[in-house]
Amino acid sequence: QSVLTQPPSVSGAPGQRVTISCTGSSSNIGAGFDVHWYQQLPGTAPKLLIYGNSNRPSGVPDRFSGSKSGTSASLAITGLQAEDEADYYCQSYDSRLSGTWVFGGGTKLTVL
Amino acid sequence: QVQLQESGPGLVKPSETLSLTCTVSGGSISSYYWVWIRQPAGKGLEWIGRIYTGGSTNYNPSLKSRVTMSMDTSKNQFYLKLSSVTAADTAVYYCARVSRGIDYWGQGTLVTVSS
Repeated sequence: QSVLTQPPSVSGAPGQRVTISCTGSSSNIGAGFDVHWYQQLPGTAPKLLIYGNSNRPSGVPDRFSGSKSGTSASLAITGLQAEDEADYYCQSYDSRLSGTWVFGGGTKLTVL
Repeated sequence: QVQLQESGPGLVKPSETLSLTCTVSGGSISSYYWVWIRQPAGKGLEWIGRIYTGGSTNYNPSLKSRVTMSMDTSKNQFYLKLSSVTAADTAVYYCARVSRGIDYWGQGTLVTVSS
């Protein structure tokens, strides 16, 4: 049971927009701690996709965007491409668990 | 370009200690937080712990009694030790750097716990 809750799977057709939610609580996202998002392609290490809730590292397409409100955060992907098929994870910090970093359980994105 | 490389035994016997090394190149480890994260096959990411320059550490409470992290700035390396391992510790282990998010990752190393 992950501290941050993500849907196990989402899907969309090429060109469509999908969103992935990340729900936390008052001890993590709701406490104002940043949310970061990672993309993990099959058989590879995760890659930073969004940092500090809504910032893209250099090289990440602007089709990817992040937002945060209250105790939740979201990752939006527009103009879906086949290469976006991957697992996506949110990550934050939890003040209740002795300063633990926490991950969401991950969401598998399928491009139909 | 910062690069990280995990190394260590790929097979560890139950009840023994798992020991991994992360070698950092392209930058000094004398700043930033450095972390270990693991991922069992087909499952999600689990944060193990982090270490900062000077040796300050924070560990996942669920693993705290078994984890020790350390670093050697002269070798640009940091280390993970996980004691009393069981089959549940079988996973791909990643070392990574924390800046704005976890921005650099090693490729990961599979550690299997089996007799």
